[in-house]
Amino acid sequence: DIVMTQSPLSLPVTPGEPASISCRSSQSLLHSNGNNYLDWYLQKPGQSPQLLISLGSKRASGVPDRFSGSGSGTDFTLKISRVEAEDVGVYSCMQALHVPITFGQGTRLEIK
Amino acid sequence: EVQLVESGGGLVQPGGSLRLSCTASGFTFSSHDMHWVRQTTGKGLQWVSAIGTSDDPYYSDSVKGRFTISREDAKNSLYLQMNSLTGGDTAVYFCARGRISSWTMDVWGQGTTVTVSS
Repeated sequence: DIVMTQSPLSLPVTPGEPASISCRSSQSLLHSNGNNYLDWYLQKPGQSPQLLISLGSKRASGVPDRFSGSGSGTDFTLKISRVEAEDVGVYSCMQALHVPITFGQGTRLEIK
Repeated sequence: EVQLVESGGGLVQPGGSLRLSCTASGFTFSSHDMHWVRQTTGKGLQWVSAIGTSDDPYYSDSVKGRFTISREDAKNSLYLQMNSLTGGDTAVYFCARGRISSWTMDVWGQGTTVTVSS
């Protein structure tokens, strides 16, 4: 199974400041078609998970452009350029290349 | 509106069975792979099972042989038959839509809670 490792697991951030979450996979997520099969999801308090980023860097519909994804192979990063209060929740990376699909442990973003 | 609604959760004794359902609306259900993902209290997300558009099933090792995923396209419905349940299966179960030609889950239901306890 592909193991997904996120850091940090807890991320206190001051509103207006940037934030960054790292996700590393135990195997490369780069497909021969050139896509990296790495997604980012956000679960806000009391809600279901929602897709933020797919294929490593493609923002889902309606996701603000302050969110960006980058990386390739085994190292990926989710960045929020300026954190807002509504961004609190648990961010999880997920590899979508191989079954079993696996998630990272989740990173809890909180507002300072 | 694209929507997924789960049902069927509840309290069940260890060793018991439960069948979850997920009803889809607002999109062509038959064109999408579908997933079940669970979340235990305070822990991360765990993929449970998926079913392709050709009824091809996939399972995590933790549920293989105990859970059965199925779909009924005519009813826009996804199911998860769970047998031989243990405390480790206690979780909120989400159904999720797979994006076409990808395992990316782009629509999620609100979840249904399964509690396995005597």
